Amino acid sequence: GAVVSQHPSRVICKSGTSVKIECRSLDFQATTMFWYRQFPKKSLMLMATSNEGSKATYEQGVEKDKFLINHASLTLSTLTVTSAHPEDSSFYICSARGSSQETQYFGPGTRLLVL
Amino acid sequence: RKEVEQDPGPFNVPEGATVAFNCTYSNSASQSFFWYRQDCRKEPKLLMSVYSSGNEDGRFTAQLNRASQYISLLIRDSKLSDSATYLCVVRGGGTYKYIFGTGTRLKVLA
Repeated sequence: GAVVSQHPSRVICKSGTSVKIECRSLDFQATTMFWYRQFPKKSLMLMATSNEGSKATYEQGVEKDKFLINHASLTLSTLTVTSAHPEDSSFYICSARGSSQETQYFGPGTRLLVL
Repeated sequence: RKEVEQDPGPFNVPEGATVAFNCTYSNSASQSFFWYRQDCRKEPKLLMSVYSSGNEDGRFTAQLNRASQYISLLIRDSKLSDSATYLCVVRGGGTYKYIFGTGTRLKVLA
């Protein structure tokens, strides 16, 4: 199957700092990328959908100024958690699909811990 | 009502048992259906897509019932390595957004 990478795999930061997470499609062009977060023992919740070259579409309740998403190329999307607080601690997972693909391929996720 | 509902389990079954999970969805316009497997602290991995005619992949069989708006996953001859959380995923009509169920936890016991 297609390969999607995420970096970093885990990050610990102080409250108030910003954290950038990268999502890359390694062997296909991702026209659409999705960002999810998952709390322990909970389901994945879609945060936003981003199409290459256009603004991300955020789900209801997700602050776009808090979670900045950039999808500048067909292989890279970034999620920046600005002014992170302890309640932002979570597992953030990206997924990607190509223009001809039905299936989303998931990255390995990034564990964020805000102290 | 949640868009996609699953029994969270856990289902504790002995090795070799057959186990079935169901999942219901609320949007009748949903177009695509999947079962994903998620191991602890890992990302979801596609197990199988679910087609109207039903489909089988080795020990795994998936069924879709559009009239009743549910999908099912049957695992035969359970292995210890099948222990994981199984996520029901529905793609809404007209979008590529996935809606995830909360997942059903399976523990296969030796």
